[in-house]
Amino acid sequence: AQTVTQSQPEMSVQEAETVTLSCTYDTSESDYYLFWYKQPPSRQMILVIRQEAYKQQNATENRFSVNFQKAAKSFSLKISDSQLGDAAMYFCAYRREGGNNDMRFGAGTRLTVKP
Amino acid sequence: EAQVTQNPRYLITVTGKKLTVTCSQNMNHEYMSWYRQDPGLGLRQIYYSMNVEVTDKGDVPEGYKVSRKEKRNFPLILESPSPNQTSLYFCASSPWRGGIGANVLTFGAGSRLTVL
Repeated sequence: AQTVTQSQPEMSVQEAETVTLSCTYDTSESDYYLFWYKQPPSRQMILVIRQEAYKQQNATENRFSVNFQKAAKSFSLKISDSQLGDAAMYFCAYRREGGNNDMRFGAGTRLTVKP
Repeated sequence: EAQVTQNPRYLITVTGKKLTVTCSQNMNHEYMSWYRQDPGLGLRQIYYSMNVEVTDKGDVPEGYKVSRKEKRNFPLILESPSPNQTSLYFCASSPWRGGIGANVLTFGAGSRLTVL
């Protein structure tokens, strides 16, 4: 079964600085998708960014970007110009193409933003 | 507004009292799934459904039942809740294949369940 590992249970960053959250995954599949979801105190799961494995170009959404290293099975999230509203739990997730198409989640990284 | 709606948002119950958490989506998605979230474990899949009348077990199905009689609804049933089912539950949906948004799960707001 595919597994997703987030090795940093907690991270902190100073407002306006940059922080990188790490994620590794294990799979034997070639077609899959990777995601970062944000969970603020409201508990809502919010999609931050998505990466298709067949795309070499790293995905970017405003201040959020990823470093996707397919061979290393690594998928880190970089948050630039951190804002107080970025404080949340962040989950890395993997979803393969086909099969039962279930999404696998890491244990999460709690990000604190210091003013 | 495209959304996944689950109810109740909060529930405190006692061991053995049957309960149902409802889930409904208005996006005509084929795929629906239930997850539970526990500290340090992330989200784990309980059951999923790829279409009407098609359901299957996820990683932690014990103590739960589901049904998919209509495309939009996917209720989670706890026949005899126990304290180890105290958790935060999420319903989610997505298109099954292809198109914009495929493979992106849209989540409900979560249901906090406490079993005493």
